[in-house]
Amino acid sequence: GQQLNQSPQSMFIQEGEDVSMNCTSSSIFNTWLWYKQDPGEGPVLLIALYKAGELTSNGRLTAQFGITRKDSFLNISASIPSDVGIYFCAGPPTNAGGTSYGKLTFGQGTILTVHP
Amino acid sequence: DGGITQSPKYLFRKEGQNVTLSCEQNLNHDAMYWYRQDPGQGLRLIYYSQIVNDFQKGDIAEGYSVSREKKESFPLTVTSAQKNPTAFYLCASSIDWGQGYTFGSGTRLTVV
Repeated sequence: GQQLNQSPQSMFIQEGEDVSMNCTSSSIFNTWLWYKQDPGEGPVLLIALYKAGELTSNGRLTAQFGITRKDSFLNISASIPSDVGIYFCAGPPTNAGGTSYGKLTFGQGTILTVHP
Repeated sequence: DGGITQSPKYLFRKEGQNVTLSCEQNLNHDAMYWYRQDPGQGLRLIYYSQIVNDFQKGDIAEGYSVSREKKESFPLTVTSAQKNPTAFYLCASSIDWGQGYTFGSGTRLTVV
């Protein structure tokens, strides 16, 4: 099946630094979703992207839908300690005709640690 | 407010016992899912259900069973056949196949 590869696998940063992470696939996606999982909790949807080239912000978070439709990026500006957690990208796979179908595919996650 | 509720948050069981994890949603979502997460790891799909009275195996269904008798409920039973059941279990739902998921807050199962 279609896989999503996230990088980096983990990040250790100082409070106040900016963060960038990405998600790539060998196949096209029509929707990109970014989730954050706080320690001991379930993932929560941060940003949804529906159009190639789309750039969407949610507070200090900005995500972009790659123009090739095979990647997406998430940036966090001026990190704070509560940004700690696991960030997942996800999307419904596409069939040969380019139509989205089926259950979501998830990346393996980027673990973010923020030092005060 | 609508949401998805997992209970209990923490569960302890002795080895060899079956245990059932509860998942209830009042979002009127058709599709529901169960994931397993090991420490520092990603999400692995156990079972999913697109509609009432129907469910499908995911990637790691062995040692688990589910039922979907009501739209709101999708309980997961971890059987004694599951070799390494200690993990964090997440339930999710979506309004339709392929749409964004709403997750519960998870159940941490420890088998001793």
